[in-house]
Amino acid sequence: QKEVEQNSGPLSVPEGAIASLNCTYSDRGSQSFFWYRQYSGKSPELIMSIYSNGDKEDGRFTAQLNKASQYVSLLIRDSQPSDSATYLCAVLPGGYIPTFGRGTSLIVHP
Amino acid sequence: EAGVAQSPRYKIIEKRQSVAFWCNPISGHATLYWYQQILGQGPKLLIQFQNNGVVDDSQLPKDRFSAERLKGVDSTLKIQPAKLEDSAVYLCASSLVRQETQYFGPGTRLLVL
Repeated sequence: QKEVEQNSGPLSVPEGAIASLNCTYSDRGSQSFFWYRQYSGKSPELIMSIYSNGDKEDGRFTAQLNKASQYVSLLIRDSQPSDSATYLCAVLPGGYIPTFGRGTSLIVHP
Repeated sequence: EAGVAQSPRYKIIEKRQSVAFWCNPISGHATLYWYQQILGQGPKLLIQFQNNGVVDDSQLPKDRFSAERLKGVDSTLKIQPAKLEDSAVYLCASSLVRQETQYFGPGTRLLVL
């Protein structure tokens, strides 16, 4: 059973701070990694995808991938109350069967 | 570009009844996924189609769940008979190809009483 682990939180940060979300995975053959945001009562929406080691930046979001250590993280700079949501890490192993973590709840307080 | 469509949005049924969900993926997307998301958990893959063929259904409870994707476009997921523990949101997603980004529909909220 392929595992994707996330701390369920909640992670509480003040407005303007950096929020750091982490995810570890068990399948070393994993090729593709995704971060989704899910607001309460809504469906997941893609924030970032990352495929190779290192950092990938998109606006206030930075995804970091370390395949040797089998973790992927998401940094949110200048956090806003509208960023309050559950963040889901999804991993696509070599067999292309996607596995999601249980998500980390982020609360950004004014 | 239209997104993934799902219906119904909400469904309430009694246990042992049957229910069916419908999904229309983004045009041109070859891969279609059905997920079950229980409150407080991440989406759990039930079945994955590549065009009209099943790629993976290892987590589909086949004694009560069935799914099909006719002509490689629309898909239906059926539960018969439903159990209390089937209460969840059923999400449909599609992607252009298997290793690419998935786009989710709005989901169907099922409550089994």
